Amino acid sequence: KQEVTQIPAALSVPEGENLVLNCSFTDSAIYNLQWFRQDPGKGLTSLLLIQSSQREQTSGRLNASLDKSSGRSTLYIAASQPGDSATYLCAVGSSGGGADGLTFGKGTHLIIQP
Amino acid sequence: NAGVTQTPKFQVLKTGQSMTLQCAQDMNHEYMSWYRQDPGMGLRLIHYSVGAGITDQGEVPNGYNVSRSTTEDFPLRLLSAAPSQTSVYFCASSRGQGAFVSYNEQFFGPGTRLTVL
Repeated sequence: KQEVTQIPAALSVPEGENLVLNCSFTDSAIYNLQWFRQDPGKGLTSLLLIQSSQREQTSGRLNASLDKSSGRSTLYIAASQPGDSATYLCAVGSSGGGADGLTFGKGTHLIIQP
Repeated sequence: NAGVTQTPKFQVLKTGQSMTLQCAQDMNHEYMSWYRQDPGMGLRLIHYSVGAGITDQGEVPNGYNVSRSTTEDFPLRLLSAAPSQTSVYFCASSRGQGAFVSYNEQFFGPGTRLTVL
């Protein structure tokens, strides 16, 4: 069964710092890895999707990397802003165990201090 | 495009009551899924569909029924609500490219917060 772990569970940094969020998964037979942002009481907003054949994806100040062989992904946020405060979720797409869907980590709760 | 829409936003039920959570998408996506989000558990897959008339079970399907009569709609039914079904429910959709639902970028609705007393 696929398991996804996100470290740290919570992170608080001053505005302007660069930061890295970590995600690891146990089964490397994945189709892709997707990073989401979730604001309190809201739905999930897709940030970046990395297919299994790719190494990284970039969108603005965000860069996500994927090392499928080691079962790891990182989300790099450059020049953090208070508006980046949210919970960041990592999810892997696979059909492990017979169910075809995303397996989510529990998230990293990020606070950017003004 | 409205994207993925869900109704209602909030609902309170008594144990044993039934209800249907509605999900619709206007992106002509073939694939749709339901997840529930619980504190400390993350999001877990309930049911999914690869097209009209086709549904399958996810990780936590017990207590839930689904049907897919049109491409646009994918309702989730609770036949006899239980307190363990108190959760936030999210519907997601994705393009029908590739053999598997999880192969494609998933787009999520705003969620339905359900409380079962």
